[in-house]
Amino acid sequence: NAGVTQTPKFQVLKTGQSMTLQCAQDMNHEYMSWYRQDPGMGLRLIHYSVGAGITDQGEVPNGYNVSRSTTEDFPLRLLSAAPSQTSVYFCASSFSNTGELFFGEGSRLTVL
Amino acid sequence: GQQLNQSPQSMFIQEGEDVSMNCTSSSIFNTWLWYKQDPGEGPVLLIALYKAGELTSNGRLTAQFGITRKDSFLNISASIPSDVGIYFCAGLLNYGGSQGNLIFGKGTKLSVKP
Repeated sequence: NAGVTQTPKFQVLKTGQSMTLQCAQDMNHEYMSWYRQDPGMGLRLIHYSVGAGITDQGEVPNGYNVSRSTTEDFPLRLLSAAPSQTSVYFCASSFSNTGELFFGEGSRLTVL
Repeated sequence: GQQLNQSPQSMFIQEGEDVSMNCTSSSIFNTWLWYKQDPGEGPVLLIALYKAGELTSNGRLTAQFGITRKDSFLNISASIPSDVGIYFCAGLLNYGGSQGNLIFGKGTKLSVKP
């Protein structure tokens, strides 16, 4: 099993550009989520999903969109990138809402 | 919103020493979890605690679910260089509820002097 796979691993954008961070898991997990990690801020929840067709906002959702058309995939879209969105993004999945998350390796995004 | 206070923020220790870190909150949690993040990678679950007062070990790691349900502790015995990384505590407010109820601490960065 590959676990949680994120692409791309690195990306540089210009302010105003849009892009999608991809996340896929092969563990048949219902729960998937996106976090951003910034120095000194820990992990902050952006959006999450409890199953296909169901998404909800986390702590810092502004500027991001998500959709969950399949159990396996949970892409994160940046609509109009801003320098404040420079961060490391982690996708995570879990079988149920026990807090036992499996994380991807992260996507490092720089917005110029 | 809910917050976890994790301390210390960082620490340097001599190889072979024991390490202690903790997380506290004003909120009551149903589950406490500890994750480790190696440089350049995603966090990995180390220990999960489900019951107040529970003490659980995983090799050289021992974690405890505080009796008040508002805190948790992680101890690492006889540290080695591969213990370097960031350790995160996380608390789950409501089992079975929204995944938005999982709160992370800001991390303890552990550096070991060889």
